[in-house]
Amino acid sequence: QKEVEQDPGPLSVPEGAIVSLNCTYSNSAFQYFMWYRQYSRKGPELLMYTYSSGNKEDGRFTAQVDKSSKYISLFIRDSQPSDSATYLCAMTPGNTPLVFGKGTRLSVIA
Amino acid sequence: DTGVSQDPRHKITKRGQNVTFRCDPISEHNRLYWYRQTLGQGPEFLTYFQNEAQLEKSRLLSDRFSAERPKGSFSTLEIQRTEQGDSAMYLCASSPWTSGSYEQYFGPGTRLTVT
Repeated sequence: QKEVEQDPGPLSVPEGAIVSLNCTYSNSAFQYFMWYRQYSRKGPELLMYTYSSGNKEDGRFTAQVDKSSKYISLFIRDSQPSDSATYLCAMTPGNTPLVFGKGTRLSVIA
Repeated sequence: DTGVSQDPRHKITKRGQNVTFRCDPISEHNRLYWYRQTLGQGPEFLTYFQNEAQLEKSRLLSDRFSAERPKGSFSTLEIQRTEQGDSAMYLCASSPWTSGSYEQYFGPGTRLTVT
């Protein structure tokens, strides 16, 4: 079992839909959780950064962490074609390098 | 505020040649990381520095790979005697790494193709 599991998709939704992206993990030491967006052949771009359990909202994006279930989510409201990209979850206990999921490829259809 | 930059953006080389990549982190970021990403996978950790000290190397990093961060500023990653399996995107990231600030910011990557 990999430390971080993420469904690679692809996920295809109509413009305006609410998108839910998820990761599960096995290492209970993970405390810091990140979501990155990566366009084709580009570097990952940090979208959300959260600590421990709870919710964080930034514009159309909401990140949720449930440490008891070892489950994190990213919600995208009012999705746009420009949101079409690969979304990577990443996590760390704090003092060590990030561990990434495989990424979920999202397509938002106009 | 400039982000992380990497050079070159693309490199095509023949098997057996040596290549060197450069990364310039966000200024004042203490930590600098190198990752490798292959198609359909998330980035995998290679090595990282705190200032000029190399603190950890992954088992992925064979003896053909070496990294430096002289004076704690830019970093270089060298691959000697390249193999076709080295073809990948090489990503650099930097982090402020203060208490509670462990987020990492990535550069655009260097895409290596070994023929």
